Amino acid sequence: DAMVIQNPRYQVTQFGKPVTLSCSQTLNHNVMYWYQQKSSQAPKLLFHYYDKDFNNEADTPDNFQSRRPNTSFCFLDIRSPGLGDAAMYLCATSGTGANYGYTFGSGTRLTVV
Amino acid sequence: QQPVQSPQAVILREGEDAVINCSSSKALYSVHWYRQKHGEAPVFLMILLKGGEQKGHEKISASFNEKKQQSSLYLTASQLSYSGTYFCGTSGTSYGKLTFGQGTILTVHP
Repeated sequence: DAMVIQNPRYQVTQFGKPVTLSCSQTLNHNVMYWYQQKSSQAPKLLFHYYDKDFNNEADTPDNFQSRRPNTSFCFLDIRSPGLGDAAMYLCATSGTGANYGYTFGSGTRLTVV
Repeated sequence: QQPVQSPQAVILREGEDAVINCSSSKALYSVHWYRQKHGEAPVFLMILLKGGEQKGHEKISASFNEKKQQSSLYLTASQLSYSGTYFCGTSGTSYGKLTFGQGTILTVHP
């Protein structure tokens, strides 16, 4: 089945220790998104790509970076995680245009200790 | 700007109906609806586009009033499986990039 896969499902990292979350897709969608979702809150957009065209949200902290080496893979790097970065990180993909719904991965739950 | 959903929470018995509303202060091109169960990823339900349409998906349907910048999700004859948090996501342009509302928690009891 075509899908969006996020690894790992759960990630525990130390305060200040860099961490990378990964996302892969077999849908061949050209748009990929990274959302941060804290407990009982709405998903908040961090970044999105149209193909390799990178788009950063204005309020995304500098501590967060992203890479998309090819259509299938996307990475979220947190350079120096703080306690406030503990959250579920959701990767989503869609086709181009308004008719496409998002397909979300199962998410990575990040804990900072 | 984040759309506003109402109500924040709904409790139903199986077989009852519910309506969830989503309002925006900005002009909308599209509205998406998603359902998220605890600890899981959101699952796409449907999209409504500018032009004011209504869509149905089994016993779940939605409407979009472009002039009022509002959308409503209708759940009829609710089932236990309908329980979860419902999010609307809105976009002011034709190329996606959704902003999600704060969510409506729906609980269906036997």
